[in-house]
Amino acid sequence: DTGVSQDPRHKITKRGQNVTFRCDPISEHNRLYWYRQTLGQGPEFLTYFQNEAQLEKSRLLSDRFSAERPKGSFSTLEIQRTEQGDSAMYLCASSSKFQDTQYFGPGTRLTVL
Amino acid sequence: AQSVSQHNHHVILSEAASLELGCNYSYGGTVNLFWYVQYPGQHLQLLLKYFSGDPLVKGIKGFEAEFIKSKFSFNLRKPSVQWSDTAEYFCAVWSGTYKYIFGTGTRLKVLA
Repeated sequence: DTGVSQDPRHKITKRGQNVTFRCDPISEHNRLYWYRQTLGQGPEFLTYFQNEAQLEKSRLLSDRFSAERPKGSFSTLEIQRTEQGDSAMYLCASSSKFQDTQYFGPGTRLTVL
Repeated sequence: AQSVSQHNHHVILSEAASLELGCNYSYGGTVNLFWYVQYPGQHLQLLLKYFSGDPLVKGIKGFEAEFIKSKFSFNLRKPSVQWSDTAEYFCAVWSGTYKYIFGTGTRLKVLA
């Protein structure tokens, strides 16, 4: 069990640029989640995958955001035309069963200038 | 809408003091409850969880939490804190959907 990994750990970008983050879940976990955490808040749910299927998306996930999990393993989260309000920590988590504990990665901290 | 409240945003304690962090949630059905901890510079780690059974659950590092269904509460406790417990603590609730709902967190500072 090597844990959930995320890349990059930090990303600084200029407003209007596109960014992409990667998440590698725990290898035997088929469920993957993305959350966003801003300063002074707890993580907020963005989206959920079971294998390669994206089963739920939060209304926080505007049409500038897209997430994929093409082969049911790693996942990517892309933000197009970044805005300063997108600055946050983006967390990935994975679990093996529907009701099971979610294990979190270290996050990608995005700063939009 | 479902929500989780953590009433203490910042707590400062001296070493060996007892700790209790409050967590209340708003959902009337079956829930799974979690406490996560985030040490400085580290990622969220599971402290303990409640799914069913004994409402008093024990976690790592001497932490425990009690689920009181009638009060919709899941308070975290530790009899004697250490400097190394300095961290941010998050309560989370799973209520049958895919997601966890987190509280806003409590920053604990333990003075040596």
